Amino acid sequence: DTGVSQNPRHKITKRGQNVTFRCDPISEHNRLYWYRQTLGQGPEFLTYFQNEAQLEKSRLLSDRFSAERPKGSFSTLEIQRTEQGDSAMYLCASSADGSNQPQHFGDGTRLSIL
Amino acid sequence: GQNIDQPTEMTATEGAIVQINCTYQTSGFNGLFWYQQHAGEAPTFLSYNVLDGLEEKGRFSSFLSRSKGYSYLLLKELQMKDSASYLCAVRVYGQNFVFGPGTRLSVLP
Repeated sequence: DTGVSQNPRHKITKRGQNVTFRCDPISEHNRLYWYRQTLGQGPEFLTYFQNEAQLEKSRLLSDRFSAERPKGSFSTLEIQRTEQGDSAMYLCASSADGSNQPQHFGDGTRLSIL
Repeated sequence: GQNIDQPTEMTATEGAIVQINCTYQTSGFNGLFWYQQHAGEAPTFLSYNVLDGLEEKGRFSSFLSRSKGYSYLLLKELQMKDSASYLCAVRVYGQNFVFGPGTRLSVLP
């Protein structure tokens, strides 16, 4: 079990630029989640994949955010035309099938918008 | 709507027992999870409850009352390394998780 891997660990970019993050889940996990976390808050759900299918997406997520999991393995999260308010930690988690299965989180990508 | 409440901060002494409460009002319930998160690190899984009652796991125990929308995490024999944020998360119907704001616990010598 190599754990959930996220890249990059840190991303600094200017407002208006596009950014893309990658998540490699635990290999046998079918479920993959993206969250956003700001300082002093719990993770906020963004979207969820079952294999390659994106089954749920937060209504809070604007059209600037898009996620893919093309082959049911790794996933990418893209933010277009970044804004100051996008600065946060972006966490990826994966889990096995089963309602009692916990999520295993990656170390996250910290995004800073200048 | 979805709402989960936890105390913002708690302080306890090394060797003591502390109880962290969580109340929830969610559209659906399919289990409650507790996670520990050290500053700057990823959350790690601590415990899971889906039926009413107490689940014990070493120094950590978690309790659930579904009728009251209430859970608590009990930490015994506190150690300095237990200083962290503790997150309560409810799995609602579908596979969505709703997280509480977290409780920052400081363990003092």
